[in-house]
Amino acid sequence: LAKTTQPISMDSYEGQEVNITCSHNNIATNDYITWYQQFPSQGPRFIIQGYKTKVTNEVASLFIPADRKSSTLSLPRVSLSDTAVYYCLLNSYNNNDMRFGAGTRLTVKP
Amino acid sequence: DTAVSQTPKYLVTQMGNDKSIKCEQNLGHDTMYWYKQDSKKFLKIMFSYNNKELIINETVPNRFSPKSPDKAHLNLHINSLELGDSAVYFCASNRRERGHNEQFFGPGTRLTVL
Repeated sequence: LAKTTQPISMDSYEGQEVNITCSHNNIATNDYITWYQQFPSQGPRFIIQGYKTKVTNEVASLFIPADRKSSTLSLPRVSLSDTAVYYCLLNSYNNNDMRFGAGTRLTVKP
Repeated sequence: DTAVSQTPKYLVTQMGNDKSIKCEQNLGHDTMYWYKQDSKKFLKIMFSYNNKELIINETVPNRFSPKSPDKAHLNLHINSLELGDSAVYFCASNRRERGHNEQFFGPGTRLTVL
């Protein structure tokens, strides 16, 4: 599986929009881009997944440019409870093998 | 109504002991996984089982062995525990679908080897 690179940490304030970018220069044709969220002392939780262009659900949006070499997770109007580690993953269309990177530690301040 | 449950939540034991961690999912999923999260918070997949077949086996010492009595359970047995085995172990499950990979994780088991 191709490697992903994302910032180690980010700070934000309540009510702001947060964008976390993930680089995956060697993404394969069959790879989907998936984001997970992990709170302290809990297991990761699926946020969103996409292949190209834009995907939106009730908690986030995922923007993927045409070359698919990067992706951006957008969290609208964050709150203190969004403080967590966010992982960007690539997983092949054909299987469920997932390789977690170091993740981005997001801290939301009041 | 817990979707993926693990027991115990905490496990403290001595080096050299043998221990097991249990995992159960009530989601009707056909694939279950074990992950290890070390002190640096890196999350690494250890095993996955699909219909009682091991389909992923990372470079994990053979002291670790997954056991699946049925589709709803995947237990992790660890023999001759070592200090480096101290970590949080997460169980997860999903339904294998092409193009969608949403894994549901359990709450984790914090293993401390003294």
